[in-house]
Formats: sequence, structure tokens, C-alpha cells
Amino acid sequence: DIQMTQSPSSLSASVGDRVTITCRASQSISNYLNWYQQKPGKAPKLLIYAASSLQSGVPSRFSGSGSGTDFTLTISSLQPEDFATYYCQQSYNTPRTFGQGTKVEIK
Amino acid sequence: EVQLVESGGGLVQPGGSLRLSCAVSGFTVSSNYMSWVRQAPGKGLEWVSVIYSGGSTHYADSVKGRFTISRDNSKNTLFLQMNSLRAEDTAVYYCARDRAVTTWNYFDYWGQGTLVTVSS
Repeated sequence: DIQMTQSPSSLSASVGDRVTITCRASQSISNYLNWYQQKPGKAPKLLIYAASSLQSGVPSRFSGSGSGTDFTLTISSLQPEDFATYYCQQSYNTPRTFGQGTKVEIK
Repeated sequence: EVQLVESGGGLVQPGGSLRLSCAVSGFTVSSNYMSWVRQAPGKGLEWVSVIYSGGSTHYADSVKGRFTISRDNSKNTLFLQMNSLRAEDTAVYYCARDRAVTTWNYFDYWGQGTLVTVSS
């Protein structure tokens, strides 16, 4: 199975900050990488697919980059509604595996 | 409007069985890949199973041989039959559309989740 490792596990940031979350795959997955946002008690929401493609309806302050084993999710200017937990997920093969999550908290 | 509505969760004893349902509106289940994803209390997301549009299935090693994914095309509903349940199966179970676009897959629509608690 492909292991997905996110860093950091949590971070504190202020509204307006630029935030970067990293995801590393245990083997090359090309650009078969997706990002999700999850708020407490809610289902995950797709943000980014194929490493850098923005899902319809997702604000443009979210962006993704990377290929191979190293990927990043960037929030260019953190908004109050962005405080949540973020997960990466590989779709290179089955089982589809997720990172452990990164919790973005208010500073 | 797309909606996925799970049901069937609840409290079950270790070794027991439960069947989850996911009623879908807004797209055709049989024309899509559909997955179950679970989340143990306070933990991260874990993919459980997928059923492809052709009907073939895959399972996580942790549930292989105990869980069965299926669908009822006439009801546009996805199911997860869970047998020989263990305490470690306790989680919120989500159904999700496993969208396939050329070679890429992603979970673009999710249900609200249904809680399964395995405890004596």
C-alpha cells in the first residue's frame, strides 16, 4: 500500500496568512493526488484533484502543486471559514490511501 | 441536485452484522464508481471499498472477507453488508461518488455519514 504522510499534523495561523501543507507519498504517484477539507461533524469536501486542478466552486485562494512524491496545498490568504482539517489522498492505485490530516487552527 | 443519504448505522455487538444503505439522487449509481470511506472517532479517513461501474469490487485488507459492497440499480442505492464486526470497525461510514475522469479518480460527492458502534 502507498503511505501518505502529511506535515505538519497541526498548525496555528491568523486570518490573512499564507498557509502551506505538505503531503509526501511513499512511492511516485505522478499527479494522482487529491485534497479534501473537513469541518467537525461534516463530510469531507473535495478541493483539488489531479494535484493542481481546482474543483468547481472552490475559492481560488486554494491551490495545489507537485508531482511524483511531494505535493503541497496552499491557501493564499486564510479566511475564517478555512479553519478545518485537510487531507491528501492518492488515487494512483487501490487501496486509495489518505494522509493522517492537518488541522488548521486559529492563532 | 445531487444527494447521497446513508442509513442503517447503529449499535451492534462484536461478531454481529449490519447493512448500510446509501440512497442516491442526481446521478446514476450503476454508471459510476462508488466507494465507502470510514472515520473512526477522532481519527482520519480510511477508504473501505469500491464498486466499479462494471460491477467488480475491491476492499481494504482490514475488511476483506467480512464486508460486501453492492448496489441496487432499480433503487439507485449503494449498500455495505458488514459481518463479523469488531470494535475497530466503530466509525462514521460515508458513501462517496468515486468520480473517474480519464485516468484520474476523486471523491466529489459525499453523504452525511452514518455512525456504526461495535460494543458489548
